[in-house]
Amino acid sequence: KAGVTQTPRYLIKTRGQQVTLSCSPISGHRSVSWYQQTPGQGLQFLFEYFSETQRNKGNFPGRFSGRQFSNSRSEMNVSTLELGDSALYLCASSSGFGGALYEQYFGPGTRLTVT
Amino acid sequence: DAKTTQPTSMDCAEGRAANLPCNHSTISGNEYVYWYRQIHSQGPQYIIHGLKNNETNEMASLIITEDRKSSTLILPHATLRDTAVYYCIVRVHDYKLSFGAGTTVTVRA
Repeated sequence: KAGVTQTPRYLIKTRGQQVTLSCSPISGHRSVSWYQQTPGQGLQFLFEYFSETQRNKGNFPGRFSGRQFSNSRSEMNVSTLELGDSALYLCASSSGFGGALYEQYFGPGTRLTVT
Repeated sequence: DAKTTQPTSMDCAEGRAANLPCNHSTISGNEYVYWYRQIHSQGPQYIIHGLKNNETNEMASLIITEDRKSSTLILPHATLRDTAVYYCIVRVHDYKLSFGAGTTVTVRA
């Protein structure tokens, strides 16, 4: 079956703008998590959605937000972009939620460059 | 979360076993050892995880020491496609994964 897809793959934005990234999980998966990956900080958890509800949130400012739709597709939004938001944004899906032996399947990521 | 220490890089000959060490001396009783890898320009890929017993799947084997303070990921017959950054993570079973620098493994023909 098809893997996790993310669109767009590459994006260039200017400081102060906002951006919306999209993630389609593996068919049947209901949990979607978002991560930010940078050379300096490595991979960091942003938030997790399950059944259209945010279940967990990482330590990122309120400029980072997300949502999940009834078909499990998810979007994340970053407002008032800063240079430091340049990163690879990864989406991961899994079949379940919370505290169980589930694997996460990652998408290829969206490379965001803020100029 | 327990901190992990991995070598920065290592080389491996194609067809030979690659043994990737990871130290996690502050691991607590309910934390699992996870391994992921990331091939250039792709998202991270789950490899294997374990609590205290050794584990094996179609990709790799995971050997955890009896005191659980270190572990070794074994790729039994490395191929050129195994060239990637390998991450050792110690976590409870939630989704707040975080990676550090990992080990850059280069498989040479």
